Amino acid sequence: LAKTTQPISMDSYEGQEVNITCSHNNIATNDYITWYQQFPSQGPRFIIQGYKTKVTNEVASLFIPADRKSSTLSLPRVSLSDTAVYYCLVGDRQEDKLIFGTGTRLQVFP
Amino acid sequence: GAGVSQTPSNKVTEKGKYVELRCDPISGHTALYWYRQSLGQGPEFLIYFQGTGAADDSGLPNDRFFAVRPEGSVSTLKIQRTERGDSAVYLCASSLLPAGVGANVLTFGAGSRLTVL
Repeated sequence: LAKTTQPISMDSYEGQEVNITCSHNNIATNDYITWYQQFPSQGPRFIIQGYKTKVTNEVASLFIPADRKSSTLSLPRVSLSDTAVYYCLVGDRQEDKLIFGTGTRLQVFP
Repeated sequence: GAGVSQTPSNKVTEKGKYVELRCDPISGHTALYWYRQSLGQGPEFLIYFQGTGAADDSGLPNDRFFAVRPEGSVSTLKIQRTERGDSAVYLCASSLLPAGVGANVLTFGAGSRLTVL
C-alpha cells in the first residue's frame, strides 16, 4: 500500500473552507484515495473516495490532480462540529485491509 | 442493527487476565475487521473475516490474540494473559462487500476501550 503524508494538525475558524492535502508519491495504478473522519471516542467514518479529477458529495469534495501523487480534501464552511482527525488512505480495492497513518487533527475555533 | 455495536465499551482488567471483546456487525455485512488504536495513533489492522473464516490475520501481534466469527455474524476478539501494552481502543468494522469487490468502505463501531493495570 502506498504511504501517505499529511499535516499533523490544522486550525481553522467557523465558516471558512478547509483544505487538507495528502501526498502519496508512490500511488499505484489500481489505488483509490479514501478519506475517513474520526471524532473522539468514536470509530472512523467514511467521508469520500476517488480515483481521479474531482469527487463531491454532501460532506466534502476531493480533488485529485492528473499525476495522482497528491489529493486535497476540501471541507466547505466548517463548523465547530468538524473538529476531528482526518485520515487519508491510499490502496487497491483488492486489498483486504485499510492502512491508517496518524491523520490530520483539525481544530475549528468559533 | 443500524450500526456496528461493540461491547463492552470499557473494560478494565489486571495484567495476566483473559479478556473477550464482542462485535455485532451491521446485519448482512459479510466482511468484518478488527483494528486496534493507541492514543494519538491511527487504527492498526489486526484481522479480517470474510464470512466465518479469517481471511487475513497478519495484524495479530502474537499468539495471545485470537478472534472468531463462528456463524458469520458476531465476532469475538480474545486476548489471553493480558499485558499493559495491550491497553488500547479495539475497533470493529464491517462492510457489505468483501475485500476485492467494491469500494472497501468500512463502517466502524465506537470501540471497546481496554485498560490493563
